[in-house]
Amino acid sequence: EDQVTQSPEALRLQEGESSSLNCSYTVSGLRGLFWYRQDPGKGPEFLFTLYSAGEEKEKERLKATLTKKESFLHITAPKPEDSATYLCAVRKAAGNKLTFGGGTRVLVKP
Amino acid sequence: DVKVTQSSRYLVKRTGEKVFLECVQDMDHENMFWYRQDPGLGLRLIYFSYDVKMKEKGDIPEGYSVSREKKERFSLILESASTNQTSMYLCASSSVKDRVIYSNQPQHFGDGTRLSIL
Repeated sequence: EDQVTQSPEALRLQEGESSSLNCSYTVSGLRGLFWYRQDPGKGPEFLFTLYSAGEEKEKERLKATLTKKESFLHITAPKPEDSATYLCAVRKAAGNKLTFGGGTRVLVKP
Repeated sequence: DVKVTQSSRYLVKRTGEKVFLECVQDMDHENMFWYRQDPGLGLRLIYFSYDVKMKEKGDIPEGYSVSREKKERFSLILESASTNQTSMYLCASSSVKDRVIYSNQPQHFGDGTRLSIL
């Protein structure tokens, strides 16, 4: 059965304190791994798609990396506006379905 | 920018009622999806549609049906609402690249409908 596990469940950071979020997955025939950001009361907002091991994508203070078993979302020198829940999801070779992890709630204090 | 609009932000209904949740996207996307999001369970796919009048079951279709009569609109129907269907419902859409139905384009989400069944 496909599984996506995110850790930690919650993360409290001081402004400027860099950290990493983990998304580990077990899925046969990975076609893509997606990262989303979700603010309270809003729908998930697309951040990145990663397709193959070794791939990296960056956007502002966020950098996503992918290995054969996990993905990391690195937050460099975070600001309070980076506070959100970060979700990862995987898509298998066949089908349109995304399997989501439970998310990591990030709180960045000034 | 892609815009996915869900008709209601909050909705309160009674058990046994037939409930309609509406979703409209303005980017001519072929694929549309309905999820529910519950604490501790994450997002779970209820149904999706890859074309007008086409639908496929997701992980948790029981108690739900869908309708896609027009490309831009995807409706989720709770046939007889029950309290365990109290949840946040999220609609999403994605495009098809190179006419490949199962292409890897990202899904874009609406802001959700928080549904309470009393």
